[in-house]
Amino acid sequence: EVQLVESGGGLVQPGRSMKLSCAASGFTFSNYGMAWVRQAPTKGLEWVATISYDGSSTYYRDSVKGRFTISRDNAKSTLYLQMNSLRSEDTATYYCTRGDYYDGTHYYAGVMDAWGQGASVTVSS
Amino acid sequence: DVQMTQSPSYLAASPGESVSISCKASKSISNNLAWYQEKPGKANKLLIHSGSTLQSGTPSRFSGSGSGTDFTLTIRSLESEDFAVYYCQQYNESTWTFGGGTKLELK
Repeated sequence: EVQLVESGGGLVQPGRSMKLSCAASGFTFSNYGMAWVRQAPTKGLEWVATISYDGSSTYYRDSVKGRFTISRDNAKSTLYLQMNSLRSEDTATYYCTRGDYYDGTHYYAGVMDAWGQGASVTVSS
Repeated sequence: DVQMTQSPSYLAASPGESVSISCKASKSISNNLAWYQEKPGKANKLLIHSGSTLQSGTPSRFSGSGSGTDFTLTIRSLESEDFAVYYCQQYNESTWTFGGGTKLELK
């Protein structure tokens, strides 16, 4: 069974840093691109960042570029999101997702077929 | 970036009815569109990808259609478990975007 378990959330002051982790199991982590998606309170889903299966390519939404860094450790089957210079508008539940779907024949980059339960991040003084 | 406009934001229906949700892209995304279901206390669920391909485990009462800029999610013969929030998402570009969501409520 595919499992994605986020950790590292909590309350942080504006301008400070926080690092989220996502422990993956039930699949060959090193074969899949991964992503972070967030959801602010009472709002919709918002894609944050993506990393390729080998970590060689990363993509970010404009509002987090230069502040957030997505990374991975394939030996540990773990995905990370380093968040610096946090702002109140970064307050959200952050979901780890498997960012590629493989149907046995093709990989569909961007189809998120597995999601974690989320880690809550609150940025407030 | 591609903007995704989803409508309606809210939809009230009764079990047994059929409903449709629209998703419009600001430019052509071919068929690179997915639909997800969000329910409280559960992990988000991929329903459909490639515009119309049902994910394994998605009931056949769900269907997706469209390509280019206009897409539709249709749920026929609503069941109680279908009342949830639905999102479309484009993955045609390296930066992905979601629609604003549609909350399907029990009438």
